[in-house]
Amino acid sequence: EVQLVESGGGLVKPGSSLKLSCVASGFTFSSYGMHWIRQAPKKGLEWIALIYYDSSNKYYADSVKGRFTISRDNSKNTLYLEMNSLRSEDTAMYYCAKGLRVMDAWGQGASVTVSS
Amino acid sequence: DVVLTQTPPTLSATIGQSVSISCRSSQSLLHSNGNTYLHWLLQRPGQSPQLLIYSVSRLESGVPNRFSGSGSGTDFTLKISGVEAEDLGVYYCVQGTHAPRTFGGGTKLELK
Repeated sequence: EVQLVESGGGLVKPGSSLKLSCVASGFTFSSYGMHWIRQAPKKGLEWIALIYYDSSNKYYADSVKGRFTISRDNSKNTLYLEMNSLRSEDTAMYYCAKGLRVMDAWGQGASVTVSS
Repeated sequence: DVVLTQTPPTLSATIGQSVSISCRSSQSLLHSNGNTYLHWLLQRPGQSPQLLIYSVSRLESGVPNRFSGSGSGTDFTLKISGVEAEDLGVYYCVQGTHAPRTFGGGTKLELK
C-alpha cells in the first residue's frame, strides 16, 4: 500500500524558516516525480513545487520561488520542502503527492501557521 | 500558466441524482506524446484529496464506476451517475500537461 506521511509543520513567526518532510513507502520512491501542494484555510488547492525522480529538474510556483526549496533523498525515501522567509499568506495545510503528471497518491498533510 | 475553470462552483443533489461538472482549460491539454493529462480529484470533508479519474477518462483503481470522465483539448466533464452520500465533498480538476501544474477552483457537491 502506498503511504506518504508528512511531518515538520507548526506555528512560526513571520520571517522564520521551517522544513517539512514526507516519508514514502509502498512504492519505488526513486522512480517517481514528487510534488508539494498547499491549501490555505477554506481555500482550494495550490501547486507549489515539483521535483523529478532523480532531482534533475525542479519547478516552483511564482508565489514561493526564491523562498522555498524542494529536495529529496532517495536513500531515505524522503521528500523535503525547506521554507524560508515565511509570510502569513503561507499559512496552509501542506501535502506531498506522488507522480510526475498524475498525482495518484497524497499524504494526510502537515499544518503550517505563520503568525506573530 | 494554464487556467482551469470549473463550473458550477456549488452543486446541490439528491441521492440517486446524476450530476456533471465542467472543467475548461485556457490551453489545450494534449501533450506532444499524445496523452491528455487532465485528472479529477475528490476531497471529502476533513480528508486529503484522492484521485478519481486520470487522463480524462481512466478510472483509478477502487473508484466506483458511477464516476466517468470525458472530453478533449480544452473541455472536460466529470459525471456521477447516481450520487451516493459518500460522494459529497469538493471536486477538483488538475492538469499535468504543462508546467506549472494547476488546479481548477473546485466544485462543492452537497445534499439538497
